[in-house]
Amino acid sequence: DTAVSQTPKYLVTQMGNDKSIKCEQNLGHDTMYWYKQDSKKFLKIMFSYNNKELIINETVPNRFSPKSPDKAHLNLHINSLELGDSAVYFCASSLGRGTINQFGSGTRLTVV
Amino acid sequence: DQQVKQNSPSLSVQEGRISILNCDYTNSMFDYFLWYKKYPAEGPTFLISISSIKDKNEDGRFTVFLNKSAKHLSLHIVPSQPGDSAVYFCAASVVGGGADGLTFGKGTHLIIQP
Repeated sequence: DTAVSQTPKYLVTQMGNDKSIKCEQNLGHDTMYWYKQDSKKFLKIMFSYNNKELIINETVPNRFSPKSPDKAHLNLHINSLELGDSAVYFCASSLGRGTINQFGSGTRLTVV
Repeated sequence: DQQVKQNSPSLSVQEGRISILNCDYTNSMFDYFLWYKKYPAEGPTFLISISSIKDKNEDGRFTVFLNKSAKHLSLHIVPSQPGDSAVYFCAASVVGGGADGLTFGKGTHLIIQP
């Protein structure tokens, strides 16, 4: 039974489109995250969400917005997609901030 | 500004020998350190961690050493096995107070040769 699941696994879309990536965790964790792994394989935090408090990495464009319908879900919405958004996006969760993150298997986004 | 650095992009080790992966950090606020293993097309998998109040943590074939004064940690794998071939990421955090999740290094690709 998958602990952190994200869908879709692959997403190919055109520039300018709006897309969403879904994430769900069944671990009962309090904190969820989105990370981005760019073409240089650098894994970087985008957002953390804990108890309705959203903390945003200042480098993330405001075209990216996380939405949490409940504690087990943190979806990522991206508006007006650009070529540079192509990357692998990982969802993760943890019991508390800064502790062991459990990762999903990633969503490879390709913008053409 | 990279706060967590893994200066070796790749490392090749013979099966059965010891693999030593290194990591340096610059932020003295970090108090928790982790190692993750990643296979292609999969998410990072947690391996082992260490709190800043310790200098060593061991779990089976994996041992993590922390040298706080040098801001350096290392992961030892002994004996190395073919299934250990993967990319290893070092990560650091501030437990409880950090808003930034985990800060990762760029990874070291470990290749275990038969």
